[in-house]
Amino acid sequence: EADIYQTPRYLVIGTGKKITLECSQTMGHDKMYWYQQDPGMELHLIHYSYGVNSTEKGDLSSESTVSRIRTEHFPLTLESARPSHTSQYLCASSEFGGITEAFFGQGTRLTVV
Amino acid sequence: GIQVEQSPPDLILQEGANSTLRCNFSDSVNNLQWFHQNPWGQLINLFYIPSGTKQNGRLSATTVATERYSLLYISSSQTTDSGVYFCAGMEYGNKLVFGAGTILRVKS
Repeated sequence: EADIYQTPRYLVIGTGKKITLECSQTMGHDKMYWYQQDPGMELHLIHYSYGVNSTEKGDLSSESTVSRIRTEHFPLTLESARPSHTSQYLCASSEFGGITEAFFGQGTRLTVV
Repeated sequence: GIQVEQSPPDLILQEGANSTLRCNFSDSVNNLQWFHQNPWGQLINLFYIPSGTKQNGRLSATTVATERYSLLYISSSQTTDSGVYFCAGMEYGNKLVFGAGTILRVKS
């Protein structure tokens, strides 16, 4: 069973608010990822990290930002939420080399009203 | 070009039927995985299968890396198998890239 956790599971928030989605893993994985997914649609990579102090933008442009100060923690922040940010956000982690199997958290379903 | 391509996009089965889902991947992708996304949106690991064949109960998967494809077999399907099946692989060892998914509906 994967040890990767996301909080909150569900969030309804007003336009203009600042939000942080939390993601933590206890597997010691170097690589971590954030994906955005609308219901029934493809997963889009928005951010990833190779390790501490490493962050990269993904394939889908996003107004969110991430940080990687500790290996186990990869939070995603939206400075000013908008209705267009309504989506599901999925966090994952994997080893850097060797067996690169990725594991996902339960996801955060964000609704901006 | 498309790095990970899945087929079919949609599949409707009668309970008890068997099915095969296919994933084609480009030269830049390896270390294939299969996931099942449940109705609550969580991605469940099915197989990590860079090459060869693995089986887990009614599910099995085969990856032929030299020919750049992977197959997921579901036998004696059940309604609980419904959902979206994704394959994904590592692009140049850096990013995990996904196919568009196969939506499976199993009818009782």
